[in-house]
Amino acid sequence: DQQVKKNSPSLSVQEGRISILNCDYTNSMFDYFLWYKKYPAEGPTFLISISSIKDKNEDGRFTVFLNKSAKHLSLHIVPSQPGDSAVYFCAASPNAGNNRKLIWGLGTSLAVNP
Amino acid sequence: DGGITQSPKYLFRKEGQNVTLSCEQNLNHDAMYWYRQDPGQGLRLIYYSQIVNDFQKGDIAEGYSVSREKKESFPLTVTSAQKNPTAFYLCASRDTSEQYFGPGTRLTVT
Repeated sequence: DQQVKKNSPSLSVQEGRISILNCDYTNSMFDYFLWYKKYPAEGPTFLISISSIKDKNEDGRFTVFLNKSAKHLSLHIVPSQPGDSAVYFCAASPNAGNNRKLIWGLGTSLAVNP
Repeated sequence: DGGITQSPKYLFRKEGQNVTLSCEQNLNHDAMYWYRQDPGQGLRLIYYSQIVNDFQKGDIAEGYSVSREKKESFPLTVTSAQKNPTAFYLCASRDTSEQYFGPGTRLTVT
């Protein structure tokens, strides 16, 4: 049972435009959500996170939106740059005390074309 | 500078051999994790450790073993019992909420 699901396997956008990556989740116990970026043959790097008490968090070109009623998470990148081309993973943390095991989505490949 | 190191970057082994992947961190994090990633897949949790001398099985622990004798180190042994060991292995450590990843080890077993 995939508790965190990406909505599309890949996305291609033009440089300067907005990139929107989406994840849906099924477990209403998730209380913390994260986005990671991964280049090939490298470890993921943390991008941005959001707590379930918020519906938006912004950091520079990156904004994460959380729609708890729809169990939907999205990452907006604007303006998109060629260096943003990577695989993006959403992850969620269940409300399980201090455990903080992350449940990972399958990843969406973003290509930003110059 | 602080971070997580994994060595080696690429590792080749013959089928039937055990192999140990190294993971070291100098971030003073208590929690450490091992994941594997296969093509087109997300990260799957193998083992994690919340504190020294303690570790828990993740979702796909069969065929793997770990130890956590020091806070800085969390080595993963891929045993001959692991049916599909060829994969990209990632080690991570955690502070309060985010996990920080090492560069990964690509293991190829033939």
